[in-house]
Amino acid sequence: QKEVEQDPGPLSVPEGAIVSLNCTYSNSAFQYFMWYRQYSRKGPELLMYTYSSGNKEDGRFTAQVDKSSKYISLFIRDSQPSDSATYLCAMSPTGNQFYFGTGTSLTVIP
Amino acid sequence: DSGVTQTPKHLITATGQRVTLRCSPRSGDLSVYWYQQSLDQGLQFLIQYYNGEERAKGNILERFSAQQFPDLHSELNLSSLELGDSALYFCASSGTSWDTQYFGPGTRLTVL
Repeated sequence: QKEVEQDPGPLSVPEGAIVSLNCTYSNSAFQYFMWYRQYSRKGPELLMYTYSSGNKEDGRFTAQVDKSSKYISLFIRDSQPSDSATYLCAMSPTGNQFYFGTGTSLTVIP
Repeated sequence: DSGVTQTPKHLITATGQRVTLRCSPRSGDLSVYWYQQSLDQGLQFLIQYYNGEERAKGNILERFSAQQFPDLHSELNLSSLELGDSALYFCASSGTSWDTQYFGPGTRLTVL
């Protein structure tokens, strides 16, 4: 079993929809949780970063961490065609080892 | 443009060969991270250097090695290459805070 599981999709939604992306994990030592966005043929870019449990909001993006369920989510409100990309969740126990999900491919249809 | 540069962009080589991938971090960044991204394994953390010293090691094979030079650029050496080493290799850099890593455009390695 991989330490981080992520549904690869693909996920296709109409413009303006709310998108929910999720990851589960097995290592209870993970304390840091990140979401990256990766456009085709580009390197990943950090979207959101949270420490421990709770919610964090940044514009149209909200990250949620539920450590009791070992489950993290990224919500995208009012999705735009420019949000079409692969979204990677990532986790770390101490900030010097990083474990990634395989990524969810998202397409937002105008 | 993240400010992280990687060369070459593409590399095609044969099994058993050795290659060197190069990364220049963003100006002022002391940390360099190497990652491998393949279709079946996804993105995997390989190794981190901070100001010339190895800081953390992930799923890096013994056939792979890296170093960071005094000018802070880094090289990832891959030897005895196998077909399964074909992947995108990313370098990222960060300043004093690891949580904001800036990724380079990657080097696509194809082993034939």
